Parts: sequence; C-alpha cells; structure tokens
Amino acid sequence: DVKVTQSSRYLVKRTGEKVFLECVQDMDHENMFWYRQDPGLGLRLIYFSYDVKMKEKGDIPEGYSVSREKKERFSLILESASTNQTSMYLCASSLLGYSYEQYFGPGTRLTVT
Amino acid sequence: GENVEQHPSTLSVQEGDSAVIKCTYSDSASNYFPWYKQELGKRPQLIIDIRSNVGEKKDQRIAVTLNKTAKHFSLHITETQPEDSAVYFCAASKRSSGSRLTFGEGTQLTVNP
Repeated sequence: DVKVTQSSRYLVKRTGEKVFLECVQDMDHENMFWYRQDPGLGLRLIYFSYDVKMKEKGDIPEGYSVSREKKERFSLILESASTNQTSMYLCASSLLGYSYEQYFGPGTRLTVT
Repeated sequence: GENVEQHPSTLSVQEGDSAVIKCTYSDSASNYFPWYKQELGKRPQLIIDIRSNVGEKKDQRIAVTLNKTAKHFSLHITETQPEDSAVYFCAASKRSSGSRLTFGEGTQLTVNP
C-alpha cells in the first residue's frame, strides 16, 4: 500500500524560528515534492527533487529551502519563519516521468505567530 | 511558465444532477491533464487523467474531455452523490517539465441531498 507520511499534522512556531517539515515515502519513488495549499490559490509548488541531493525550484521557493539526503526522505526548511508562511504544507511523491500519479501525504498545518 | 485557470471556484448541485468543472491552460505543449479530488481533511488523490492524444475518457460516473485547440479540459460528474462533495483540482504537465504539475485553483463541489 502506498504510503507518504509527514512528521507533524499541526505545528505552531514563532516568527523567526527555523522550522523543519519532514516527509517520508516507502514506495521507492524518485520524485518528491513540497506544495503549499492556501484557499483559492490551489496547490503551489515550492520545491521538488528527482534524485538524492538534487532539487529544483518550483513556483514559490522564496523563504524556503529543501534537503534530500536519502531517497525516501525530503525535508522542507523555513530558515526564518514569518507569519505569511502560515499555511497547509503537502508533500507528494511519484515515479520519475511526467505522467505518473503523485501520492500525497496528509499535510502539515503550520501556524506562525 | 504554464498557467492553469479553473472555474467555478464553488459549485453546488442537487443529488442526482450533473456537475461540470472547467480548466484552461496556457502552454500548448502541455499534454497530460490529471484531476485530483480532496475530501475534507484528507489528502488529494488522483481520480482520472487524460493525455493529449485522447479527446475523452470515462470512468463510471466521471469523465474528462479535452479540447487541445481551445486549450481547455473539463471534468464531468454524472448522477452526483453526497460523497462527491470535495475540492477538485485540475492540473497540466508536459514532457519537458519532467514530473512537475501546475495545478488550478480548485473547485469546492457541494452535493446537497
């Protein structure tokens, strides 16, 4: 059974804190993605990775960085959290290629106060 | 880059009626168009997809149509049921963009019993 897990369902952080969101998949997928979901804005791609130690910017990478040291794990880092980063963060994974299903994690609701 | 617009943002129908959600895309090179469904509090899941060499695809009560000339595609749900209530996202991709999907803004579908 396909499984993508995220380290936290809910997270509350203070402005200026460094925040780590972690995603793990057990499907041996090459691709991993981080999205941000806000009402009325859909799913916006922050970063993605197609291989270990490889990363590419998505549509809204500012204020975020990522790390992929192992194939199954993809971390999203907020270097200095700000209130406008309060959002739902979704991780996804897929096989390598342009027309494969993306499998999503349950999401992390991050609140920055 | 690719831009995907989705309409309407909200849709309310009576049980048993049909529902139609429409998306337009900007990049004529896009050739893969998936639809994801996100039930309240759950993760998005792929429900149907279509490739540019096909004009229509059906799966039980759902169907997707594609008009490449006009650069738009639509999701059709017939005989709607309360469990169809969810947010639906369209997306577009092309081979040269790798595994990257560009999502629409989402449509909140409510099916009233």
